[in-house]
Amino acid sequence: AQKITQTQPGMFVQEKEAVTLDCTYDTSDPSYGLFWYKQPSSGEMIFLIYQGSYDQQNATEGRYSLNFQKARKSANLVISASQLGDSAMYFCAMREGVTGRRALTFGSGTRLQVQP
Amino acid sequence: GAVVSQHPSRVICKSGTSVKIECRSLDFQATTMFWYRQFPKQSLMLMATSNEGSKATYEQGVEKDKFLINHASLTLSTLTVTSAHPEDSSFYICSAGPPLGGGGEQYFGPGTRLTVT
Repeated sequence: AQKITQTQPGMFVQEKEAVTLDCTYDTSDPSYGLFWYKQPSSGEMIFLIYQGSYDQQNATEGRYSLNFQKARKSANLVISASQLGDSAMYFCAMREGVTGRRALTFGSGTRLQVQP
Repeated sequence: GAVVSQHPSRVICKSGTSVKIECRSLDFQATTMFWYRQFPKQSLMLMATSNEGSKATYEQGVEKDKFLINHASLTLSTLTVTSAHPEDSSFYICSAGPPLGGGGEQYFGPGTRLTVT
């Protein structure tokens, strides 16, 4: 079964507007972490934001915020004031367990294109 | 954040030859490193988990005799693709972490693009 689901293969957004990238997850482990990464055409994985399963507040990092709805098992990424440089692939990922020694499981990704 | 390097960044080799890819954590020590593979227009798939001083754990479907992993120190893991074939052409990315004494951070290397001709 898919552990991380990203249902939007591609998204378009106008420059300076906000955009939400969807992510749902599935786990029976009460301890887990949720990550979002940006992958430009160069291939590097750029860490954007992290949310722990026990975190009470939604994570924010600059223009990025994570809309964490635990009961719905969703962890959507919101990018505010989109910029042309935000055009890239975006991956949602999850790590199960309390230690950091497990690998991440990635979703299929969403390609975001920011239009001028 | 911490830095993970990979070498080489790009390699082209002939079918039947072997290729070694290095993953280094430059400013921290990591007991665990992970190797992922990414085919064009697809997501990252975990190949194996590499623990310093012990044998790597391979994911189902990944041939351990073909993808040799060595994690000889707390800062270096290597992936050797033996007898490479065109279907092994892919983007290989490592990640390292968490740092000793640190939290749950995972840091990714810049990736290695392998083309087998």
